[in-house]
Parts: sequence; structure tokens; C-alpha cells
Amino acid sequence: NAGVTQTPKFRILKIGQSMTLQCTQDMNHNYMYWYRQDPGMGLKLIYYSVGAGITDKGEVPNGYNVSRSTTEDFPLRLELAAPSQTSVYFCASRSSGREETQYFGPGTRLLVL
Amino acid sequence: DQQVKQNSPSLSVQEGRISILNCDYTNSMFDYFLWYKKYPAEGPTFLISISSIKDKNEDGRFTVFLNKSAKHLSLHIVPSQPGDSAVYFCAASGPTSGSRLTFGEGTQLTVNP
Repeated sequence: NAGVTQTPKFRILKIGQSMTLQCTQDMNHNYMYWYRQDPGMGLKLIYYSVGAGITDKGEVPNGYNVSRSTTEDFPLRLELAAPSQTSVYFCASRSSGREETQYFGPGTRLLVL
Repeated sequence: DQQVKQNSPSLSVQEGRISILNCDYTNSMFDYFLWYKKYPAEGPTFLISISSIKDKNEDGRFTVFLNKSAKHLSLHIVPSQPGDSAVYFCAASGPTSGSRLTFGEGTQLTVNP
């Protein structure tokens, strides 16, 4: 049982490049989330999904896209990387029920130069 | 609009003493609160939670107190250990939040041997 896995661990992008951050969970959780964490800041929600085929915007969705074709996978796409997207990105998942805990992946550190 | 605030970016305590981390919220609809702990280069991990129907929840060395009238919660760690050194995030949700959590900025706790 690996929990929530994220790839890559670290990536450097040039301005304007695109990439996909991968997130997979093996706990059969319906809910999945993408957050970004900037230095000295809390976690800001980018996008979330309540089940396969259903996604919705969080607080800071601009510049990102997501898809949820399976229960297990929730990739985050950056189409035109900008320096403002330099951050650490965390994926999380949880089961149904409002008081269920979110389980986080180890994070992807992204540097846009 | 920062709905969950942790006003102390850092806290330093001696091993064996009590650590008290504080969190304030503004949204009166929040009714479920969590604390997460984060080590460097790792994702946040769930520590303890409390529902608004309670004013205290205890789990071993960790106790969370909720003061609804003051919209304030605190995490007490007794006794503090060097392994507790980490960033602590408080988070909140409410019936109108759906499946989303709102996080504070985090407090870096350092426990000195």
C-alpha cells in the first residue's frame, strides 16, 4: 500500500514550457486534491475532484488544468510555465465523509526559470 | 481574505516543556478543524482533529482546544520532543466548504534538546 505517490520529485522548467505533474493513489479514494505551497504560506487549493470525471476549481486555478479519468490518477497540467508557478506541489486524497482525513503525497518541487 | 490564520511563523521551546501553537479563524461556518505536521521534503501528515461539538480532543501528547466564541484553536504538545520539530498547519472546513480544507500559513516549531 503506497498511499499517494507523486512524480517527478523535482523539475526545472523554462518559461513557456509545459509539463504534467503525476499523482496516483491506491486507497480507492473518491476525493483528490492539488495544492501549492509557497514559502511562508499555507497550502492553497488549485483543483480538486470528487470522483472520476468530475473536477472543480479551487482558490488558485489559473495556469493549470486537471483531468480525472480514473479513480487512481489525478494529473495536473501546466501549459505555459511562468516564474510565478515556482512552488512545491502536493497531491492529496481522502475517502467520502466530511470528517475524513486527507492523505498527502511527498510533493513535487518545481522551479520555473 | 485569509480565513484561517496562524500568527506565529515560528516557535522555539525546550525539550520536555509544553509547546502551544495557535490558530484563529474568521468563518463562523467552519465546524471541523485539523492539525497537520510537515517535515522538510515530505508531505503534510494528519495529527489530530476536533469537531465543533467538542471543546477539547486529546491523543497522547497532543491536545487540541477549541474556543468557538473566540474563533480560536490551539494545539498543545506535552512534553515536547526534538522529533516534534516541524511545521504545523491548522486547517478548517464547514458544511459550505464541500470537500475542501482551508489552511493556515503554518508555524515552524523547533524543540531544542
